[in-house]
Amino acid sequence: GIQVEQSPPDLILQEGANSTLRCNFSDSVNNLQWFHQNPWGQLINLFYIPSGTKQNGRLSATTVATERYSLLYISSSQTTDSGVYFCAVRKAGTALIFGKGTTLSVSS
Amino acid sequence: GAGVSQSPRYKVAKRGQDVALRCDPISGHVSLFWYQQALGQGPEFLTYFQNEAQLDKSGLPSDRFFAERPEGSVSTLKIQRTQQEDSAVYLCASSLTGAIDEQFFGPGTRLTVL
Repeated sequence: GIQVEQSPPDLILQEGANSTLRCNFSDSVNNLQWFHQNPWGQLINLFYIPSGTKQNGRLSATTVATERYSLLYISSSQTTDSGVYFCAVRKAGTALIFGKGTTLSVSS
Repeated sequence: GAGVSQSPRYKVAKRGQDVALRCDPISGHVSLFWYQQALGQGPEFLTYFQNEAQLDKSGLPSDRFFAERPEGSVSTLKIQRTQQEDSAVYLCASSLTGAIDEQFFGPGTRLTVL
């Protein structure tokens, strides 16, 4: 099956700092999603981005499908950005395969 | 509804008890997925429905796990004779069609088996 690797596994930032999270995947995919899991366990959709670049406020993401990676950028981080960030991929007709996540801690 | 809902949010069961977990997908969503998330891990696939048809159940860990979606809307995940290793968060997701489109997740049910 497809392997999904996320890096770094843990990230500690001061409020206001910028960061880049990476997701590598081992095969071609039809769908790639980024999620933020908040401290209550809810998976919040950040981006649906099988290819290209998208931006939403302080967050942006880029997927280079031909090179099998995606990047999530967080700018001017806030304490509310803390939590676990997951990348998940899927081929058509299959379920999402998740990476192990990046745990982000932002301190004030 | 506005989003995917799950009930109960928390369930404590004694080893050997049967449990039933419910998922209400987003109205009109054809596809429904169940995932299991162990502590400190990413969610892992259990089973997938398109309307009432269970198209893939390859992720169910044992024959004690059973899922149904009889009318193509609400789904129930049933675990018989629960074991301690079944303790996890069970997440439900739905998507509009199912081929490659975006999945939306419910808040999950945290199951603790004593």
